[in-house]
Amino acid sequence: AQSVTQLGSHVSVSEGALVLLRCNYSSSVPPYLFWYVQYPNQGLQLLLKYTTGATLVKGINGFEAEFKKSETSFHLTKPSAHMSDAAEYFCAVTGYFGNEKLTFGTGTRLTIIP
Amino acid sequence: EAQVTQNPRYLITVTGKKLTVTCSQNMNHEYMSWYRQDPGLGLRQIYYSMNVEVTDKGDVPEGYKVSRKEKRNFPLILESPSPNQTSLYFCASSEGGDEVHTEAFFGQGTRLTVV
Repeated sequence: AQSVTQLGSHVSVSEGALVLLRCNYSSSVPPYLFWYVQYPNQGLQLLLKYTTGATLVKGINGFEAEFKKSETSFHLTKPSAHMSDAAEYFCAVTGYFGNEKLTFGTGTRLTIIP
Repeated sequence: EAQVTQNPRYLITVTGKKLTVTCSQNMNHEYMSWYRQDPGLGLRQIYYSMNVEVTDKGDVPEGYKVSRKEKRNFPLILESPSPNQTSLYFCASSEGGDEVHTEAFFGQGTRLTVV
């Protein structure tokens, strides 16, 4: 079975400050990891994904995440927060094959303080 | 444009009145699924389908039905809705099959209220 834990259901940062959203995973097989973003009244949009290869992955809107197997973590970061980053962020894990289930964390709501 | 389309976006209904939420994708994806999103619980999978006529239960299937008669459509059916099914529902699709897992595309969501 696979699972993800997102630490902090709400995170607030000042505009221009570092964004750090935490995600730890549990998986008995090599994990494929994703970060999705949900803007108000919208569906989920893929931010970035880790499958194999480079452990530092870059996504859209200046976000990046680093896969650390030793720490079973996949934290999401952005050097400088922008007001438009206010949204809910979900970490998710799945296995290798396309027909395997995507398991989501409980989400982190990011608030940007002007 | 690649997209997953859900209808309706908003729905208020009464307990026990059967309803269907439609979902259609235009990407020829094999894998489709339904999730419900509740505060503090994230997204939980209700049902999924690996291909036409192949469906299976997810984590929270009680009170729901699905069908997959065509590759593009995957409707969610609530035969007798109850207030505890008030939630935000998302349909998603991805390529599936034996290929490496790729991005899941999500619909805009259906906010259902059962009174």
